[in-house]
Amino acid sequence: EVQVLQSGGGKVQPGGSLRLSCTASGFTFSDYVMTWVRQAPGKGLEWVSAISGSGDITYYADSVKGRFTISRDNFENTLYLQMSSLGADDTAVYYCVPNMDYWGQGTLVTVSS
Amino acid sequence: SFELTQPSSVSVSPGQTARITCSGDVLAKKHVRWFQQKPGQAPALVMYRDTERPPGIPDRFFGSSSGTTVTLTVSGAQFEDEADYFCYSAADNRGVFGGGTKLTVL
Repeated sequence: EVQVLQSGGGKVQPGGSLRLSCTASGFTFSDYVMTWVRQAPGKGLEWVSAISGSGDITYYADSVKGRFTISRDNFENTLYLQMSSLGADDTAVYYCVPNMDYWGQGTLVTVSS
Repeated sequence: SFELTQPSSVSVSPGQTARITCSGDVLAKKHVRWFQQKPGQAPALVMYRDTERPPGIPDRFFGSSSGTTVTLTVSGAQFEDEADYFCYSAADNRGVFGGGTKLTVL
């Protein structure tokens, strides 16, 4: 059974930084592209970033490029999203999605003073 | 970049057939995933590669594709199918979601 457990959300001031984590099990972690998707309150889904199975190729939405960094540790079966220069528009529930098949429970990031 | 267009809402009575479309030029060469999201829950995959149903998804969910439009059909919609539905595709090193369709069953 695939399990996806997320952590690291919370409230941060504008301009601040935060790191999200996602630990997955039930599949061969290094085989899967891992993706971050976010959903602002009352809004639709927004693709944020993805990383290849080996971790050597990364992709970013224009809205986060240069501010967010996706990475993974295939020994620890963990995905990360380092977020910096956060603004109000980054307020959202962030989901970790292995292979765009299985969704984590989501973690809320609130950017507010 | 590319866009995927969905109707904002679809309404059907219980037992009727609901059709949710997803349109975009890229769909002539790329497949779509469909996700169902109920209030307060994370999305869940209900269709992949346009027409493939994951294990556990009822066979009243049916996917089809024609040209640049992919359609998710719910035959004999039930109250439990009421949710937001999002299509998704990936191309040009990025993923894109449709705006979402609220399916109301009443």
